Amino acid sequence: GNSVTQMEGPVTLSEEAFLTINCTYTATGYPSLFWYVQYPGEGLQLLLKATKADDKGSNKGFEATYRKETTSFHLEKGSVQVSDSAVYFCALRSGEGAQKLVFGQGTRLTINP
Amino acid sequence: SAVISQKPSRDICQRGTSLTIQCQVDSQVTMMFWYRQQPGQSLTLIATANQGSEATYESGFVIDKFPISRPNLTFSTLTVSNMSPEDSSIYLCSVVQAVEQYFGPGTRLTVT
Repeated sequence: GNSVTQMEGPVTLSEEAFLTINCTYTATGYPSLFWYVQYPGEGLQLLLKATKADDKGSNKGFEATYRKETTSFHLEKGSVQVSDSAVYFCALRSGEGAQKLVFGQGTRLTINP
Repeated sequence: SAVISQKPSRDICQRGTSLTIQCQVDSQVTMMFWYRQQPGQSLTLIATANQGSEATYESGFVIDKFPISRPNLTFSTLTVSNMSPEDSSIYLCSVVQAVEQYFGPGTRLTVT
């Protein structure tokens, strides 16, 4: 079945540090891949997505590249800010007529000033 | 983008009782989804709700415990029945619109 494995958290970094949160997946067919973010006290928001191999999703300085050969979709940001502190979820959607998302376990990120 | 509201935003309930959570979307959608996020955990899909038909439940979730209604294309309810402390979670409503998936703010349920 479909599954998503994320880097174990929590992750704590200093402001302006480089961020990588690893995500690998197992899926049938050709999944679409997503990163969602949940800021403290808020709902889940789509951060970025990629729908086919070699696509790069980007938003708010975050990037992730769909790597079919390594079944990965790692999230990166060159210089994190305190406001990036949140829980990040990698997710996929796959299968014929699929609408539901399968989520990774989430990675809690804390950025210290 | 779809705007989703949920009621209540939070509740504290006693074990053995039931709570109905409402989800309202600002546009018509074919499918609505209900997810559960247990404390410190990821999101797990409970069921998919189509208008005019019975909901489709994921493995580990049953209709008697989580009955769902979908009376029209903009509204759905999820009931958490005969609650126990293990049902303490955030329950989220979600829709797909133009291949994007949107989530409601969630209902934080605490069962004592």
